[in-house]
Amino acid sequence: KNEVEQSPQNLTAQEGEFITINCSYSVGISALHWLQQHPGGGIVSLFMLSSGKKKHGRLIATINIQEKHSSLHITASHPRDSAVYICAVLVEVGMRFGAGTRLTVKP
Amino acid sequence: SQTIHQWPATLVQPVGSPLSLECTVEGTSNPNLYWYRQAAGRGLQLLFYSVGIGQISSEVPQNLSASRPQDRQFILSSKKLLLSDSGFYLCAWDRDRGSSPLHFGNGTRLTVT
Repeated sequence: KNEVEQSPQNLTAQEGEFITINCSYSVGISALHWLQQHPGGGIVSLFMLSSGKKKHGRLIATINIQEKHSSLHITASHPRDSAVYICAVLVEVGMRFGAGTRLTVKP
Repeated sequence: SQTIHQWPATLVQPVGSPLSLECTVEGTSNPNLYWYRQAAGRGLQLLFYSVGIGQISSEVPQNLSASRPQDRQFILSSKKLLLSDSGFYLCAWDRDRGSSPLHFGNGTRLTVT
């Protein structure tokens, strides 16, 4: 069993829909990152969380440390949101990554 | 502002040849530096990280090595490439591990033939 599990693996949505991507982890962490990887391969860090909730534009990230779970929400999704979203947790030594969620938003 | 440069963008190398990928960071001092790999169809994997000059930690033992000869320079090397070394290599940096964002380079797509 992977230490970091993401769901769903693939997600197709219509423009304007509300999207949720989930991340569960089984190890002790000091922080959690949500990353966005575009088709060309470049990666951008969206959020780093150690507790609570963060919001940036149409993106919201939450984390529940007790339940070892984080969610990434996208409100009013747009085709430009199409990308792979990766959850990464910071452990005592190094990082562990989810397999990613491939999001496609159709116009 | 801080920027991270990684080169080359793409590289095709024969099996058994050496490898050197370079990453430099501008606009900050004493960053934590990281090398990641993403093999085809697989997730990201942390290869090496460095908290200072000459300090390298390896996540996964393999055919690769890393060096940090200067504060803002991080080099990924191999003496003899294997087919399994093919993948997308990303350099990244952050200020304070666990409390500051990660900044990624644009990546190097390596194909070993």
